[in-house]
Amino acid sequence: DIQMTQSPSSLSASVGDRVTITCQASQDISNYLNWYQQKPGKAPKLLIYDASNLETGVPSRFSGSGSGTDFTFTISSLQPEDIATYYCQQYDNQYTFGQGTKLEIK
Amino acid sequence: EVQLVESGGGLIQPGGSLRLSCAASGFTVSSNYMSWVRQAPGKGLEWVSVIYSGGSTYYADSVKGRFTISRDNSKNTLYLQMNSLRAEDTAVYYCARGASRFDPWGQGTLVTVSS
Repeated sequence: DIQMTQSPSSLSASVGDRVTITCQASQDISNYLNWYQQKPGKAPKLLIYDASNLETGVPSRFSGSGSGTDFTFTISSLQPEDIATYYCQQYDNQYTFGQGTKLEIK
Repeated sequence: EVQLVESGGGLIQPGGSLRLSCAASGFTVSSNYMSWVRQAPGKGLEWVSVIYSGGSTYYADSVKGRFTISRDNSKNTLYLQMNSLRAEDTAVYYCARGASRFDPWGQGTLVTVSS
């Protein structure tokens, strides 16, 4: 099984800050990685697919990069509505999610 | 508008069975890969099962042999039959379109396994 390790598990930042979350796969997954946003009490929402492609309608302050085993998710300028938990997900071999990063406003 | 609506959750005793439904609108279930993903209270996301457009099905090891994914093309609906339920199956169950990427998701239905 492919394990996905996200860091940090929680993060506190100020409005306007640049925020970065990392996700490491236990083996090479090429670019078979997605990022989701989950707000409290809501279903997850796809933000980034295939490591770096922005889903239609998602603000351009969100971005993703990486390939192989190391991936990065970035919010260029944090907005109050970005408060959520973020998950990475691999689909190279079945489907595995990272443990999540809870993002809070400082 | 593409939409997924789950139903069928509830409180069930350990060892019991439950069938979840996911009604789709705005697209055809049988032409897409469809998945179930669950989230235990306060925990992260766990993929449960997928059915491919061709009918092939796959399961997480944690539910293999106990859960069955299926679809009714005439009703444009996805199902998850859950048997031999355990306390650790307690979770919100989401259906989602896709397999490589899950999009969109339904609102989820809560399954609580407890005596």
